[in-house]
Amino acid sequence: NAGVTQTPKFQVLKTGQSMTLQCAQDMNHNSMYWYRQDPGMGLRLIYYSASEGTTDKGEVPNGYNVSRLNKREFSLRLESAAPSQTSVYFCASSEVYIGELFFGEGSRLTVL
Amino acid sequence: SQQGEEDPQALSIQEGENATMNCSYKTSINNLQWYRQNSGRGLVHLILIRSNEREKHSGRLRVTLDTSKKSSSLLITASRAADTASYFCATDAGGNNRLAFGKGNQVVVIP
Repeated sequence: NAGVTQTPKFQVLKTGQSMTLQCAQDMNHNSMYWYRQDPGMGLRLIYYSASEGTTDKGEVPNGYNVSRLNKREFSLRLESAAPSQTSVYFCASSEVYIGELFFGEGSRLTVL
Repeated sequence: SQQGEEDPQALSIQEGENATMNCSYKTSINNLQWYRQNSGRGLVHLILIRSNEREKHSGRLRVTLDTSKKSSSLLITASRAADTASYFCATDAGGNNRLAFGKGNQVVVIP
């Protein structure tokens, strides 16, 4: 099983550009999450989808949008990238909401 | 946000020694989880302990939970170089129904 797959793994953007981070899980999990990780800040929740068809804001949602495309896929969109969004982004999934989370390998984004 | 806070932030030990790290939180929880992150990789789930549990074991890992002190500890026994990683606790504390992570504990095991 691949688990949680994120694409792309690396991306460099210019300020104002847009992009979408893709995430797919093959474990038939109900819940999916997007976190960002910054040095000294731990992981902060951006958005989550407790179940297919629902999405909710997390701790730091400003500047982001999400789409729960189906049960497998949960994408994160940056409409107008800013240098403050330079970070490592992690997608995760769990069978039950706030249960054991399975993480992808991360997407490293640099905004110039 | 009501996040877990790990202590100590960094720990360096010799291979074979035990490593202990603590996590404190501020409000009541339903469960507390510990994760490991190797450098440049995603997080890997280690143990989930529920609020009505006091201790759980998994291999060389032992987690305790003291809800009266709002704290948890993770003990790694007989450490190995491969245990070198960052360790995070995560809780659903705060009443906002979200899983929040602490800033992590960096553990270095010297061969």
